[in-house]
Amino acid sequence: EDKVVQSPLSLVVHEGDTVTLNCSYEVTNFRSLLWYKQEKKAPTFLFMLTSSGIEKKSGRLSSILDKKELFSILNITATQTGDSAIYLCAGAYGGSQGNLIFGKGTKLSVKP
Amino acid sequence: DAGVTQSPTHLIKTRGQHVTLRCSPISGHKSVSWYQQVLGQGPQFIFQYYEKEERGRGNFPDRFSARQFPNYSSELNVNALLLGDSALYLCASRLAPTQSYEQYFGPGTRLTVT
Repeated sequence: EDKVVQSPLSLVVHEGDTVTLNCSYEVTNFRSLLWYKQEKKAPTFLFMLTSSGIEKKSGRLSSILDKKELFSILNITATQTGDSAIYLCAGAYGGSQGNLIFGKGTKLSVKP
Repeated sequence: DAGVTQSPTHLIKTRGQHVTLRCSPISGHKSVSWYQQVLGQGPQFIFQYYEKEERGRGNFPDRFSARQFPNYSSELNVNALLLGDSALYLCASRLAPTQSYEQYFGPGTRLTVT
């Protein structure tokens, strides 16, 4: 059965800390790995990773995919209170259809 | 540019009733997917539509149905509501299945079944 597993499920840090969020996947016909940030309702798109070993970066956030070991990490440096959210990882599967299977998410709380 | 829009924002229904949720994709996006997110879980895939045709279906009962209109907007219908259908229903749009796997989500409809 296809699955995406995220760890930790929750994390509390202080502003300025660096965090690493983990995502492992077992997805049939895997195509890409996507990261989303969910604060209130709508998950907002962060990254899509398709190739192994190539880091994607956006400001203080970065992510990398390892297709051999079937995992991805999301790093956030110099965390801010505005980074507090649930971070969702999803595998795109099913050939060209690219439907998403999500993990349960990591709830990040950044304290001032 | 407007993002994905969904209506209504909140909805309260009684067991056994029927509900229709609506979604308008980002301009230029032709594919719409529906997801159900219950508290404490990640979104779970329900349907994908592209060019008015169903292109994917998740593990949901036949009480769930959807359709896509010529303007690429979409409706999700749920019949004979159960308490367990209470969830946040998310719509996501993308350019087209063969063009990109990036999906962009709307704010969701919070459905409460009593």
